[in-house]
Amino acid sequence: DQQVKQNSPSLSVQEGRISILNCDYTNSMFDYFLWYKKYPAEGPTFLISISSIKDKNEDGRFTVFLNKSAKHLSLHIVPSQPGDSAVYFCAASAGNQFYFGTGTSLTVIP
Amino acid sequence: DAGVIQSPRHEVTEMGQEVTLRCKPISGHDYLFWYRQTMMRGLELLIYFNNNVPIDDSGMPEDRFSAKMPNASFSTLKIQPSEPRDSAVYFCASSLGQGYTDTQYFGPGTRLTVL
Repeated sequence: DQQVKQNSPSLSVQEGRISILNCDYTNSMFDYFLWYKKYPAEGPTFLISISSIKDKNEDGRFTVFLNKSAKHLSLHIVPSQPGDSAVYFCAASAGNQFYFGTGTSLTVIP
Repeated sequence: DAGVIQSPRHEVTEMGQEVTLRCKPISGHDYLFWYRQTMMRGLELLIYFNNNVPIDDSGMPEDRFSAKMPNASFSTLKIQPSEPRDSAVYFCASSLGQGYTDTQYFGPGTRLTVL
Protein backbone atom coordinates (compact mmCIF):
# COMPACT_ATOMS: atom_id res chain seq x y z
CA ASP A 1 0.00 0.00 0.00
CA GLN A 2 1.58 3.25 -1.17
CA GLN A 3 1.38 5.82 1.62
CA VAL A 4 3.09 8.42 -0.53
CA LYS A 5 1.89 8.75 -4.11
CA GLN A 6 3.20 10.63 -7.08
CA ASN A 7 0.52 10.13 -9.68
CA SER A 8 2.36 11.76 -12.57
CA PRO A 9 5.20 9.54 -13.74
CA SER A 10 6.50 12.23 -16.06
CA LEU A 11 6.29 15.96 -16.77
CA SER A 12 7.67 18.13 -19.57
CA VAL A 13 8.13 21.88 -19.22
CA GLN A 14 9.67 24.60 -21.36
CA GLU A 15 12.81 26.24 -20.07
CA GLY A 16 11.98 29.37 -18.07
CA ARG A 17 8.48 28.23 -17.17
CA ILE A 18 7.26 26.88 -13.86
CA SER A 19 7.46 23.17 -13.03
CA ILE A 20 4.95 21.86 -10.52
CA LEU A 21 5.45 18.38 -9.12
CA ASN A 22 2.73 16.90 -6.95
CA CYS A 23 2.66 14.39 -4.15
CA ASP A 24 -0.21 12.99 -2.08
CA TYR A 25 -0.02 11.09 1.17
CA THR A 26 -2.48 9.07 3.21
CA ASN A 27 -1.06 9.07 6.73
CA SER A 28 -2.06 12.16 8.72
CA MET A 29 0.67 11.34 11.25
CA PHE A 30 3.45 12.30 8.82
CA ASP A 31 5.18 15.34 10.24
CA TYR A 32 8.14 15.91 7.96
CA PHE A 33 8.31 15.98 4.19
CA LEU A 34 11.25 16.03 1.82
CA TRP A 35 12.01 16.21 -1.87
CA TYR A 36 14.96 14.42 -3.42
CA LYS A 37 16.31 14.75 -6.94
CA LYS A 38 17.89 11.87 -8.82
CA TYR A 39 19.99 11.93 -11.97
CA PRO A 40 20.55 8.73 -13.99
CA ALA A 41 23.17 6.37 -12.54
CA GLU A 42 23.39 8.42 -9.35
CA GLY A 43 21.80 8.19 -5.95
CA PRO A 44 19.07 10.65 -4.91
CA THR A 45 20.22 13.94 -3.43
CA PHE A 46 18.33 16.04 -0.93
CA LEU A 47 16.62 19.09 -2.39
CA ILE A 48 14.27 20.73 0.10
CA SER A 49 12.14 19.83 3.11
CA ILE A 50 9.23 21.12 5.14
CA SER A 51 7.90 20.47 8.60
CA SER A 52 4.20 19.92 9.14
CA ILE A 53 4.02 23.09 11.23
CA LYS A 54 4.67 25.12 8.09
CA ASP A 55 2.80 25.43 4.82
CA LYS A 56 5.60 26.80 2.69
CA ASN A 57 9.36 26.59 2.47
CA GLU A 58 11.45 28.36 -0.12
CA ASP A 59 15.05 27.86 -1.22
CA GLY A 60 16.08 29.82 -4.27
CA ARG A 61 14.18 28.59 -7.29
CA PHE A 62 12.57 25.78 -5.29
CA THR A 63 9.46 26.15 -3.14
CA VAL A 64 7.60 23.37 -1.37
CA PHE A 65 3.97 23.85 -0.41
CA LEU A 66 2.14 21.71 2.13
CA ASN A 67 -1.63 21.43 2.35
CA LYS A 68 -2.29 19.27 5.39
CA SER A 69 -6.06 19.23 5.05
CA ALA A 70 -5.74 17.84 1.54
CA LYS A 71 -2.72 15.69 2.45
CA HIS A 72 -0.98 17.19 -0.54
CA LEU A 73 2.55 18.37 -1.15
CA SER A 74 3.90 20.19 -4.18
CA LEU A 75 7.29 21.32 -5.41
CA HIS A 76 7.50 24.44 -7.58
CA ILE A 77 10.58 25.17 -9.65
CA VAL A 78 10.76 28.68 -11.07
CA PRO A 79 12.26 29.29 -13.54
CA SER A 80 12.88 25.76 -14.79
CA GLN A 81 16.29 25.06 -16.29
CA PRO A 82 17.49 22.15 -18.46
CA GLY A 83 19.73 21.03 -15.58
CA ASP A 84 16.61 20.43 -13.51
CA SER A 85 15.76 17.45 -15.73
CA ALA A 86 15.79 14.52 -13.32
CA VAL A 87 13.52 12.22 -11.35
CA TYR A 88 12.01 13.86 -8.29
CA PHE A 89 10.97 11.82 -5.28
CA CYS A 90 8.85 13.11 -2.44
CA ALA A 91 9.20 11.49 0.96
CA ALA A 92 7.31 11.64 4.23
CA SER A 93 8.21 10.61 7.74
CA ALA A 94 6.61 10.10 11.13
CA GLY A 95 8.70 8.74 13.96
CA ASN A 96 10.40 5.61 12.67
CA GLN A 97 8.32 5.44 9.52
CA PHE A 98 9.71 6.79 6.32
CA TYR A 99 8.21 6.47 2.85
CA PHE A 100 9.21 7.58 -0.62
CA GLY A 101 6.91 8.07 -3.58
CA THR A 102 7.43 6.41 -6.94
CA GLY A 103 8.99 9.50 -8.50
CA THR A 104 8.18 11.96 -11.29
CA SER A 105 10.53 12.33 -14.22
CA LEU A 106 10.88 15.99 -15.14
CA THR A 107 12.15 17.04 -18.56
CA VAL A 108 12.91 20.71 -19.10
CA ILE A 109 12.96 21.49 -22.81
CA PRO A 110 15.47 24.14 -23.89
CA ASP B 1 34.82 12.94 2.09
CA ALA B 2 34.15 10.49 -0.72
CA GLY B 3 30.49 10.18 0.13
CA VAL B 4 28.62 6.90 0.51
CA ILE B 5 30.38 4.13 -1.35
CA GLN B 6 28.60 1.08 -2.70
CA SER B 7 29.93 -1.99 -4.40
CA PRO B 8 29.52 -3.52 -6.82
CA ARG B 9 27.84 -0.98 -9.10
CA HIS B 10 26.37 -3.73 -11.24
CA GLU B 11 25.67 -7.35 -10.41
CA VAL B 12 24.28 -9.99 -12.72
CA THR B 13 23.59 -13.38 -11.22
CA GLU B 14 21.49 -16.44 -11.77
CA MET B 15 18.43 -17.39 -9.81
CA GLY B 16 19.31 -19.28 -6.67
CA GLN B 17 22.71 -17.70 -6.19
CA GLU B 18 23.72 -15.69 -3.15
CA VAL B 19 24.21 -11.97 -3.67
CA THR B 20 26.04 -9.63 -1.30
CA LEU B 21 25.86 -5.87 -1.66
CA ARG B 22 28.27 -3.66 0.25
CA CYS B 23 28.13 -0.15 1.63
CA LYS B 24 30.54 2.22 3.32
CA PRO B 25 28.71 5.16 4.91
CA ILE B 26 30.06 8.66 5.38
CA SER B 27 32.41 8.77 8.33
CA GLY B 28 30.71 10.03 11.46
CA HIS B 29 27.17 9.31 10.31
CA ASP B 30 25.19 7.40 12.89
CA TYR B 31 22.40 6.14 10.65
CA LEU B 32 22.57 3.80 7.69
CA PHE B 33 19.67 2.92 5.43
CA TRP B 34 19.15 0.30 2.72
CA TYR B 35 16.59 1.04 -0.02
CA ARG B 36 15.34 -0.79 -3.08
CA GLN B 37 14.12 1.09 -6.14
CA THR B 38 11.69 -0.41 -8.63
CA MET B 39 9.50 1.20 -11.25
CA MET B 40 6.32 -0.01 -9.59
CA ARG B 41 7.05 0.90 -5.98
CA GLY B 42 9.64 3.64 -6.20
CA LEU B 43 12.10 3.76 -3.32
CA GLU B 44 11.31 1.32 -0.53
CA LEU B 45 13.09 1.41 2.80
CA LEU B 46 14.28 -2.09 3.61
CA ILE B 47 16.12 -1.63 6.88
CA TYR B 48 17.99 0.98 8.83
CA PHE B 49 20.69 0.96 11.50
CA ASN B 50 21.56 3.37 14.28
CA ASN B 51 25.08 3.07 15.66
CA ASN B 52 25.43 -0.31 13.95
CA VAL B 53 22.26 -1.70 15.55
CA PRO B 54 19.30 -2.64 13.32
CA ILE B 55 16.36 -0.48 14.36
CA ASP B 56 13.62 -1.29 11.88
CA ASP B 57 13.72 -4.16 9.40
CA SER B 58 10.00 -4.22 8.68
CA GLY B 59 10.67 -3.36 5.06
CA MET B 60 12.77 -6.44 4.40
CA PRO B 61 10.60 -8.38 1.95
CA GLU B 62 11.25 -11.87 3.26
CA ASP B 63 13.69 -14.12 5.03
CA ARG B 64 15.85 -14.39 1.96
CA PHE B 65 17.05 -10.86 2.73
CA SER B 66 19.44 -10.10 5.57
CA ALA B 67 21.56 -7.09 6.49
CA LYS B 68 24.45 -6.62 8.86
CA MET B 69 26.54 -3.74 10.08
CA PRO B 70 29.57 -5.20 11.85
CA ASN B 71 31.15 -1.80 12.40
CA ALA B 72 30.52 1.89 11.80
CA SER B 73 32.15 1.90 8.38
CA PHE B 74 30.67 -1.16 6.70
CA SER B 75 27.32 -2.77 6.00
CA THR B 76 26.13 -5.62 3.82
CA LEU B 77 22.81 -6.59 2.33
CA LYS B 78 22.59 -10.25 1.42
CA ILE B 79 20.01 -12.07 -0.68
CA GLN B 80 20.06 -15.85 -0.46
CA PRO B 81 18.73 -17.39 -2.63
CA SER B 82 18.17 -14.67 -5.19
CA GLU B 83 15.11 -14.60 -7.45
CA PRO B 84 14.36 -12.70 -10.68
CA ARG B 85 11.87 -10.46 -8.82
CA ASP B 86 14.75 -9.17 -6.72
CA SER B 87 16.08 -7.36 -9.78
CA ALA B 88 16.20 -3.67 -8.85
CA VAL B 89 18.57 -0.88 -7.91
CA TYR B 90 19.64 -1.06 -4.28
CA PHE B 91 20.72 2.13 -2.56
CA CYS B 92 22.54 2.66 0.68
CA ALA B 93 22.26 6.00 2.47
CA SER B 94 23.64 7.48 5.65
CA SER B 95 22.72 10.43 7.82
CA LEU B 96 24.02 12.33 10.80
CA GLY B 97 21.93 12.88 13.86
CA GLN B 98 18.40 12.09 14.85
CA GLY B 99 17.11 10.19 11.88
CA TYR B 100 14.47 11.03 9.35
CA THR B 101 14.56 14.80 9.66
CA ASP B 102 18.23 14.76 8.82
CA THR B 103 19.38 14.78 5.24
CA GLN B 104 20.18 11.35 3.94
CA TYR B 105 23.17 11.01 1.65
CA PHE B 106 22.78 8.29 -0.91
CA GLY B 107 25.36 6.14 -2.60
CA PRO B 108 25.30 5.61 -6.38
CA GLY B 109 23.40 2.36 -6.04
CA THR B 110 23.93 -1.24 -7.11
CA ARG B 111 21.94 -2.42 -10.10
CA LEU B 112 21.08 -6.07 -9.52
CA THR B 113 19.87 -8.32 -12.28
CA VAL B 114 18.81 -11.86 -11.40
CA LEU B 115 18.37 -14.07 -14.44
